[in-house]
Amino acid sequence: GDSVTQMEGPVTLSEEAFLTINCTYTATGYPSLFWYVQYPGEGLQLLLKATKADDKGSNKGFEATYRKETTSFHLEKGSVQVSDSAVYFCALARYSSASKIIFGSGTRLSIRP
Amino acid sequence: EAQVTQNPRYLITVTGKKLTVTCSQNMNHEYMSWYRQDPGLGLRQIYYSMNVEVTDKGDVPEGYKVSRKEKRNFPLILESPSPNQTSLYFCASSWAGTSGSIEQYFGPGTRLTVT
Repeated sequence: GDSVTQMEGPVTLSEEAFLTINCTYTATGYPSLFWYVQYPGEGLQLLLKATKADDKGSNKGFEATYRKETTSFHLEKGSVQVSDSAVYFCALARYSSASKIIFGSGTRLSIRP
Repeated sequence: EAQVTQNPRYLITVTGKKLTVTCSQNMNHEYMSWYRQDPGLGLRQIYYSMNVEVTDKGDVPEGYKVSRKEKRNFPLILESPSPNQTSLYFCASSWAGTSGSIEQYFGPGTRLTVT
């Protein structure tokens, strides 16, 4: 079945450092891919998404490119801020079953001032 | 404002005492889901609904019930809670557009502790 694997955390970086959080998926066909962010004490917010191969999702300085050949959707940001400290979830879903989103285990990111 | 609401936000209860967590959405979405979040496991789907009176099991349905009598509401019922159901629960509603786009909105979460 479909699955998502993302790098384990916690990840600790200094402010203005470059961020990469790896995400790979297992699925047939062309699922949609997502990154969600969960700030402390809050629910999940959609950060960005991509619906087909080579699409790049971007939001708030974060980017991720849908790579079919490597089945990856790595999250990147050029210069992180303390306010980016949160848990990040990679996820996939199929249009045919939009009510089911499959999540990775989450990566906790902490940014030092 | 488009939103998914859940109540209560926090709940401490004892083993075996039936409880219901309510979920409501104001976006007229057909799809609704319940997830539980546990450390190291991410979010796992409990139940989902594709429309009124249409529900199905997700990955971890044991010990839970749901109903979908109205489009906007999707309550989660624990008939006899046990300590292993201590978790953070999220309700979500979703929409699949004609262009292949999927949107999913999450509620703020309900932290349940069963002693």
